[in-house]
Amino acid sequence: DTGVSQDPRHKITKRGQNVTFRCDPISEHNRLYWYRQTLGQGPEFLTYFQNEAQLEKSRLLSDRFSAERPKGSFSTLEIQRTEQGDSAMYLCASSLALSGTTEAFFGQGTRLTVV
Amino acid sequence: GNSVTQMEGPVTLSEEAFLTINCTYTATGYPSLFWYVQYPGEGLQLLLKATKADDKGSNKGFEATYRKETTSFHLEKGSVQVSDSAVYFCALTSWMDSSYKLIFGSGTRLLVRP
Repeated sequence: DTGVSQDPRHKITKRGQNVTFRCDPISEHNRLYWYRQTLGQGPEFLTYFQNEAQLEKSRLLSDRFSAERPKGSFSTLEIQRTEQGDSAMYLCASSLALSGTTEAFFGQGTRLTVV
Repeated sequence: GNSVTQMEGPVTLSEEAFLTINCTYTATGYPSLFWYVQYPGEGLQLLLKATKADDKGSNKGFEATYRKETTSFHLEKGSVQVSDSAVYFCALTSWMDSSYKLIFGSGTRLLVRP
């Protein structure tokens, strides 16, 4: 297993365009998280899935953001009508939640620049 | 709500110096505590963790002790190397939050000079 992978690593888009990011978690992990990290800040939680169910969404996740995890495998995060304020690093993490706290493994992130 | 506060950086040290990065937290109940490290251009890697009071997490020469009485989880290393230059994030999860999402501090950049 190569860990959590994210694609693309970098994305430059014009304001108003739609973008989609993909995350492939560690194969046996049932939980998948999306975080957003802006320059000089720590990652902030956006949303998470347990298997294919999206169980929680942060208030940071506006109507323009949507995430899916079909069949409980890979996940996509789509941003519609991008704004300059969406420029950030989008991080995906996965974990195996059995009971209690478990270690989350992060991908290398997708850096989005909206021009 | 739950939160993590870290000392502001950057922290600049000479090789072989002693490192302390302060971290305090606010949480309901007894959170689990973590230190993550982010090398340039990379994602976050778990450095160490502690899940209950007085636990000491350690890895690669780094240590941190879960201090419930001071709500702290300070990161220490006795002798830093140039390769330790990175951004360090303190984080927590709460057993009261079934998502186990991580709450991060703002990060502390460490620069180690040869």
